[in-house]
Amino acid sequence: EAQVTQNPRYLITVTGKKLTVTCSQNMNHEYMSWYRQDPGLGLRQIYYSMNVEVTDKGDVPEGYKVSRKEKRNFPLILESPSPNQTSLYFCASTEASGRASTDTQYFGPGTRLTVL
Amino acid sequence: RKEVEQDPGPFNVPEGATVAFNCTYSNSASQSFFWYRQDCRKEPKLLMSVYSSGNEDGRFTAQLNRASQYISLLIRDSKLSDSATYLCVVNEGWYGQNFVFGPGTRLSVLP
Repeated sequence: EAQVTQNPRYLITVTGKKLTVTCSQNMNHEYMSWYRQDPGLGLRQIYYSMNVEVTDKGDVPEGYKVSRKEKRNFPLILESPSPNQTSLYFCASTEASGRASTDTQYFGPGTRLTVL
Repeated sequence: RKEVEQDPGPFNVPEGATVAFNCTYSNSASQSFFWYRQDCRKEPKLLMSVYSSGNEDGRFTAQLNRASQYISLLIRDSKLSDSATYLCVVNEGWYGQNFVFGPGTRLSVLP
C-alpha cells in the first residue's frame, strides 16, 4: 500500500530536549516536505527536499533542521524545542512528475507535538 | 508575500443543499491549483485538481479564473459525509516545491 508514515504520532516533551520526528514514504517520490498546522494559520511549509541531499527552507524554518540521506526518509529535527513549536506536523511526498498540474501531495497521518 | 485566502466559514448547511467555496491567490505566476479535504485531526487528502477549463467530479465542480486569481468549489446535494474542512492549495513551482495552503473553510452538513 502506498503510504507516508510518521513517528511518533503524539509527543509531549520539555523545552530544550532534542527530538526527531521520522517520515518515510514507499512511493519512490523525489519531493518531500514538512508542514506545521496551527489554528487559523493553515499549513505552513517548514522545509522541503527535491531529492537526496537536496533540501531547502520553506516559510517557517527557524528552529528546525532536516536531512535527506535516503530517498524514502526525511526526518524533522528540533535541536532545542520551545513552546512555540507546539503544533500539528505533517510530512508529505510528491512524485514531482514535471507536470505541475498533476502533482499530488500525499500526507502522513500527522504528529501532534506539545512542548512544555 | 504569497497568500491564499478563503471564505472564513464555518458553513452550516442542511443535507441536500448546494454550497460554494471561494479562494483567491496573490501570486499570478502560480502553476497549478487544488482543493484538498481535511477531516478533523486527520491529514489533508486531495479532493480534486482545478483546471482552467473547469472540471467536475460527481457532485463537485471546480472553477479557475486566472485573470481574477480566483478559484471556486461547488458541492451539490451535500451529504453528511461532506462535513470537513476544505483547503484551497496553490502550487507556485514547477516541481511541487511551493505548495501554499489557504487557511481552510469548515463545512458542517446537518441532518
